[in-house]
Amino acid sequence: EPEVTQTPSHQVTQMGQEVILRCVPISNHLYFYWYRQILGQKVEFLVSFYNNEISEKSEIFDDQFSVERPDGSNFTLKIRSTKLEDSAMYFCASRFSDYGYTFGSGTRLTVV
Amino acid sequence: AQRVTQPEKLLSVFKGAPVELKCNYSYSGSPELFWYVQYSRQRLQLLLRHISRESIKGFTADLNKGETSFHLKKPFAQEEDSAMYYCALKRAGNTPLVFGKGTRLSVIA
Repeated sequence: EPEVTQTPSHQVTQMGQEVILRCVPISNHLYFYWYRQILGQKVEFLVSFYNNEISEKSEIFDDQFSVERPDGSNFTLKIRSTKLEDSAMYFCASRFSDYGYTFGSGTRLTVV
Repeated sequence: AQRVTQPEKLLSVFKGAPVELKCNYSYSGSPELFWYVQYSRQRLQLLLRHISRESIKGFTADLNKGETSFHLKKPFAQEEDSAMYYCALKRAGNTPLVFGKGTRLSVIA
C-alpha cells in the first residue's frame, strides 16, 4: 500500500535555527497538508497546498513558516527561526480527490 | 467555526466489553466525519468515514445529525484495539480536517 514518507523521524535544533521538514506524498495525490501535534494536545492544521500554491492556512502558520514543493515529489515545511513552542510532532498528509487523507509517520521536532 | 469534541481523554474497558468512544461536532453545514486511529508509535490511520457506512475491525459509527454526534462503537473490545482514537470533521471542498483532542482507549485483559 502506498505511504506518505517523512524525514527525519526526529530533529533536534537550537532555538533560532532554521529547520526543514521533508515529506514525500503519494505520487498521484493532488492535495497536501501539514499538521502538528504538541505533546498531549490535539492534532492541529497548519497549511494545505494544491496546484503549487497554498490553498488554506491556519493562524499558527505565520511568517516563520513556509511550504514548498520544489521538485514535484517532495513537499517541505520550513520554520525560519524556531522557538521553544515549535516543539511538536509534525505530520504531513496527502489525498487524491475525495478519498481519505493519508498521513505520514511524523517528524518529532525538539527545539532546545 | 467548526469544532470537534471528544469528552473522554482516557477510556479503559475490559477485553470483551462493549466500547463507545464519543464524538460531538459543531458545524452549521453538512460535514464529513472521520475516525482516525493511532497505534503506539505509528502514523494516523483512517479507520472509518461516515459516507462509507462500513465496519472496519468490528468498529462502526453512525452520524446523528440531530445530536451532532459520530460516536465510535464496537461490541466486543480486543486488546489490540488499544490506541489513540481521533474524531475529525471536514467541510465540503478542498478543506482540511479538524481534529478532536483524541481518546486513548485501553483494553485490559
